[in-house]
Amino acid sequence: GAGVSQSPSNKVTEKGKDVELRCDPISGHTALYWYRQRLGQGLEFLIYFQGNSAPDKSGLPSDRFSAERTGESVSTLTIQRTQQEDSAVYLCASSSQLRETQYFGPGTRLLVL
Amino acid sequence: AQSVTQLGSHVSVSEGALVLLRCNYSSSVPPYLFWYVQYPNQGLQLLLKYTSAATLVKGINGFEAEFKKSETSFHLTKPSAHMSDAAEYFCAVSPRGGSEKLVFGKGTKLTVNP
Repeated sequence: GAGVSQSPSNKVTEKGKDVELRCDPISGHTALYWYRQRLGQGLEFLIYFQGNSAPDKSGLPSDRFSAERTGESVSTLTIQRTQQEDSAVYLCASSSQLRETQYFGPGTRLLVL
Repeated sequence: AQSVTQLGSHVSVSEGALVLLRCNYSSSVPPYLFWYVQYPNQGLQLLLKYTSAATLVKGINGFEAEFKKSETSFHLTKPSAHMSDAAEYFCAVSPRGGSEKLVFGKGTKLTVNP
């Protein structure tokens, strides 16, 4: 594909509901990253995947957050029992391999009411 | 552990004036350093990166940054601001040889006045 794509672009949900955010990386990119950007803050690392290696989940803020990736393709970030503090822009990035430039998608703007 | 401090959450310059956005980092190992730009409602775009080659790094859109180890700084500059440079700028660090996750500063919003 031309770039990293994410869906939905905007999501409004009620507190307590589960949400799924999708990321399509650039074709052929083996590394995929999720970040969270809260209003007025920098990006916080959440998780990254590299090929078939175990993902680095060290940035996930709680056990309500999880992510999956099938092979070297699509990734889904799931937030269970959403809370208002989960409201943020969730950004996905991919790179051709680790230590290479990360290319970012446009993000999913999540609002939890 | 790595951290990034961007001095000034908002910077305002006149069109044609020098742009200087400050970034200081902390890293226990030699770092890779990055500047990203984010236009409204868009994802981040890489401006430039330092990966241990020349300390003066040139990027897109006329931006450049200089890695100064003694000052632990990686300030972003552009000699002459253009209206289209108005955006938010993020400095980021990642350690070499370790985890590849980027640690970002809180960002600096640049306003360019006509």
